[in-house]
Amino acid sequence: NAGVTQTPKFQVLKTGQSMTLQCAQDMNHNSMYWYRQDPGMGLRLIYYSASEGTTDKGEVPNGYNVSRLNKREFSLRLESAAPSQTSVYFCASIFSGTGNQPQHFGDGTRLSIL
Amino acid sequence: AQSVTQLGSHVSVSEGALVLLRCNYSSSVPPYLFWYVQYPNQGLQLLLKYTSAATLVKGINGFEAEFKKSETSFHLTKPSAHMSDAAEYFCAVSEVESGGSNYKLTFGKGTLLTVNP
Repeated sequence: NAGVTQTPKFQVLKTGQSMTLQCAQDMNHNSMYWYRQDPGMGLRLIYYSASEGTTDKGEVPNGYNVSRLNKREFSLRLESAAPSQTSVYFCASIFSGTGNQPQHFGDGTRLSIL
Repeated sequence: AQSVTQLGSHVSVSEGALVLLRCNYSSSVPPYLFWYVQYPNQGLQLLLKYTSAATLVKGINGFEAEFKKSETSFHLTKPSAHMSDAAEYFCAVSEVESGGSNYKLTFGKGTLLTVNP
């Protein structure tokens, strides 16, 4: 009954350090998404992967890279962390095909960059 | 690109009172609309969705929303608030990417609901 699993749940980095946020889903979903959530801003799409082997930029991709490792896993990498990337990061997945299906979300990774 | 506007970043009600959270969207085609709820330190959970089958949509925990095309609105209501309803609520619209077939969600900025005893 796992759904979407994100690791780690919390992380503190220093400016300039790199880090990879992991996301895995066990629902056989095709599409996966990375969002960031900042106070008063709602959720903003960073990158998404419509299917295994494809990735595309979202609204706020600068400073991030992604890898769709296989159908289950979609990772988000910060190559050189900046304080502006302090945020809560959510991964989501959906079976895809039509727009009337809801996305399923993980519990988030809370990232602080000092 | 579509946009979603949630009126009121913070709504406060008394326990037992009506809950009304407002959402307006911009769309040139019939949209797919969603309401999500986020409890502290958790991810987003689906409350309900509109997919054109019926204009009044019932969701979990006694919430419902009415799609009004003429007003481009999808407001969320609950007749009687409970303390456990305190959370942040997000309205979202699903849109197909330009020139493609993949759907993406655009979220409103959220409304924090406080329920007072």
